[in-house]
Amino acid sequence: EIVLTQSPGTLSLSPGERATLSCKARQSVSSSYLAWYQQKPGQAPRLLIYDTSSRATGIPDRFSGSGSGTDFTLTISRLEPEDFAVYYCQQYDNSPWTFGQGTKVEIK
Amino acid sequence: QVQLVQSGAEVKKPGSSVRVSCKASADTFNNYPISWVRQAPGQGLEWMGGIIPMFGTTNYVQKFQGRVTITADKSTNTVYMDLTSLRSDDTAVYYCARDGSLTESFFDYWGQGTLVTVSS
Repeated sequence: EIVLTQSPGTLSLSPGERATLSCKARQSVSSSYLAWYQQKPGQAPRLLIYDTSSRATGIPDRFSGSGSGTDFTLTISRLEPEDFAVYYCQQYDNSPWTFGQGTKVEIK
Repeated sequence: QVQLVQSGAEVKKPGSSVRVSCKASADTFNNYPISWVRQAPGQGLEWMGGIIPMFGTTNYVQKFQGRVTITADKSTNTVYMDLTSLRSDDTAVYYCARDGSLTESFFDYWGQGTLVTVSS
């Protein structure tokens, strides 16, 4: 199975700052089949990005995804108060579909 | 409107079984695969398997082979996840989620989650 490693584990930033989250795959995600989710406490995950860089319905354009092969990035251009949450990447190129362990974005 | 409505919380004894249901809107049931993803307390997300409801075709993670069964009832647009031989480390929130398409298994809509607690 494809192991995904996210870094950093925790990102401490202030509102208005830029957040850069990394997701590295142990083997190539060849079809760019990588997604990003946001999860807040007590809530189900919410899809942000699919196919590496396509924003899901209703997702603001401050969220963007990029990357290829084994290295992927989620960027939040200017953090809003509602963006402080845990973020997960997921690959769906090779079954079983797998998730990274998550990056927590917390208020500094 | 896409809806995935799950059954309520369960408390089970070790060694027993649990069934969690996920009632889908008709369009979702008829046109999209549905997966099950679980999350242990304070932990990350783990895909367990999925089904294409209209065909009944299933795909399971090897780790759960033999313990998990996913089925679909066309008469009620409901997908079920049965997990047997429960252990304490099966304590988790179980989510059903809609796959993005038949060929792309990102998850664009999620149920509200069902907490399953396994405790003696």
